[in-house]
Amino acid sequence: DAGVIQSPRHEVTEMGQEVTLRCKPISGHNSLFWYRQTMMRGLELLIYFNNNVPIDDSGMPEDRFSAKMPNASFSTLKIQPSEPRDSAVYFCASSANSRGGGYTFGSGTRLTVV
Amino acid sequence: QKEVEQNSGPLSVPEGAIASLNCTYSDRVSQSFFWYRQYSGKSPELIMSIYSNGDKEDGRFTAQLNKASQYVSLLIRDSQPSDSATYLCAVEGSYIPTFGRGTSLIVHP
Repeated sequence: DAGVIQSPRHEVTEMGQEVTLRCKPISGHNSLFWYRQTMMRGLELLIYFNNNVPIDDSGMPEDRFSAKMPNASFSTLKIQPSEPRDSAVYFCASSANSRGGGYTFGSGTRLTVV
Repeated sequence: QKEVEQNSGPLSVPEGAIASLNCTYSDRVSQSFFWYRQYSGKSPELIMSIYSNGDKEDGRFTAQLNKASQYVSLLIRDSQPSDSATYLCAVEGSYIPTFGRGTSLIVHP
């Protein structure tokens, strides 16, 4: 398996622009998580999907952020409009909903909003 | 609010020594506990999981869990320079993990 695949690896955008981050979880994993990592706040959970359904989105900072999971093999995180304080590394992780597996992270997307 | 606390470090140990990393958590109903290693510029990588009180050993790594004290630790024996990284503690309840801020470990030759 290729692991959790995220794209793009790096994104530089201007303030006010729309940004879309993409994630393909590991086949057979039915839980998917979006995290944001910064030096100041560490790893923050943004949203958790189970079987493609959003279960907990309490970490989504504000209405500018939205996430979708239209099927078991694809998820997106969208920021519209983007702001400089959104600059961070965004990770997608997936798990198999069973004890012992832990969470497998993608390589992350480093977002810079200028 | 669920909290996972780690000393940010850096923890500096000489090559060959034992590195001890500690983590405390606030949610008493937590059931699963994980240690992740994150190299600079890379994504977190799972290295240990533990679910029951006591010790769990895997190679040079030993995870220790004490649910009564809400404490989990990671021991790295015979530390190598390649172990230099940030170690993240993760605590799971109802399939949702909460991560600590991580402890930076530096193993010097």
